[in-house]
Amino acid sequence: DAKTTQPPSMDCAEGRAANLPCNHSTISGNEYVYWYRQIHSQGPQYIIHGLKNNETNEMASLIITEDRKSSTLIRPHATLRDTAVYYCIVGLSGGGADGLTFGKGTHLIIQP
Amino acid sequence: DTAVSQTPKYLVTQMGNDKSIKCEQNLGHDTMYWYKQDSKKFLKIMFSYNNKELIINETVPNRFSPKSPDKAHLNLHINSLELGDSAVYFCASSQGTGKAFFGQGTRLTVV
Repeated sequence: DAKTTQPPSMDCAEGRAANLPCNHSTISGNEYVYWYRQIHSQGPQYIIHGLKNNETNEMASLIITEDRKSSTLIRPHATLRDTAVYYCIVGLSGGGADGLTFGKGTHLIIQP
Repeated sequence: DTAVSQTPKYLVTQMGNDKSIKCEQNLGHDTMYWYKQDSKKFLKIMFSYNNKELIINETVPNRFSPKSPDKAHLNLHINSLELGDSAVYFCASSQGTGKAFFGQGTRLTVV
């Protein structure tokens, strides 16, 4: 079972920042937070991951609360191509051998 | 260059047949995976494999078997196909971490 909780769907206006929340209240000290997205009919795409500090890359920013029980993925200046299912996943960085446990994710719809 | 490539992209076959899906990665990763996405869009890990260890999700029927001829390839063999095997199968690879790269998927339809 996935160890994260996400809203099933969200809307965001094109050009605005899309803020996707994730609850992971049972996260353990050595587990990372990973974000992936799946655009319709494509394979999942890695976005970003973090342990406790906020992270930013060319795709998004990841804000993790101080207690690490929740996080927010921020996709700035969303475009129509950002419409996808976004998955928040908790896992061990060095424990990738077990694979990723995907939940139901958030279906983000970017509105023109 | 495609980092993780799967063939075929579409596969339609009859019940009872045996089929294979091929996967190749050119990232130099040492761990490869197979995932299954069913009609309800749930993505589930089936296998994880590196040159030392095969980890099998206990819910996967033994009709499914991964075969790795070398580090860059992990093929999925399915025997005696059933209607319930219809799904999209994704191959992925990583350097043993949670940062994985996925292929574009193989849509298997069993009729």
